[in-house]
Amino acid sequence: AQTVTQSQPEMSVQEAETVTLSCTYDTSENNYYLFWYKQPPSRQMILVIRQEAYKQQNATENRFSVNFQKAAKSFSLKISDSQLGDTAMYFCAFRIGSSNTGKLIFGQGTTLQVKP
Amino acid sequence: GAVVSQHPSWVICKSGTSVKIECRSLDFQATTMFWYRQFPKQSLMLMATSNEGSKATYEQGVEKDKFLINHASLTLSTLTVTSAHPEDSSFYICSARDGRTGYTFGSGTRLTVV
Repeated sequence: AQTVTQSQPEMSVQEAETVTLSCTYDTSENNYYLFWYKQPPSRQMILVIRQEAYKQQNATENRFSVNFQKAAKSFSLKISDSQLGDTAMYFCAFRIGSSNTGKLIFGQGTTLQVKP
Repeated sequence: GAVVSQHPSWVICKSGTSVKIECRSLDFQATTMFWYRQFPKQSLMLMATSNEGSKATYEQGVEKDKFLINHASLTLSTLTVTSAHPEDSSFYICSARDGRTGYTFGSGTRLTVV
């Protein structure tokens, strides 16, 4: 069975600083997708970044980047130049590439507080 | 971009009544939709996978007779909480598979059963 683990329930960072959220997963599959979602106080789920397992290059989206270590099954999210609007709950998620259902498996979440 | 509209955004109902939540894909066809339940400060728990024109697939431990899912068209899936009780109070979120980012989420429905 696939599992996703986020070991940091809560984190805080000063505005303009950099923070890294950790995520590990367990799977025997070779083809899969990894995602980071943001859920601000409005509770709308927003895609931050995604990574295909077959791509060695780490995905980046403006201030957001990932460190994808396939052998270690690690998928951390780095937020640079943190902004107050980054305050949210962040979820790491996993999907098997060949899955017909395309189910997303979520980690427990990390609540990030950006302080002014 | 892909948009999923979820209604109502919040609802209060009396214990024993039924509540229907709608999830519509506005600018794309969604053959597959997912329904999640989320408790405060917790993760999203997948309840069921809804496929257009066929029966939903429920996750283990989810009562299919209590949480009725209908996906009658390529743009609409509904979740009906039947004979609701206070323990059913929660935040319910739908999502649909789109062809761009992979998944688009609705804005959620806060259900309170009194």
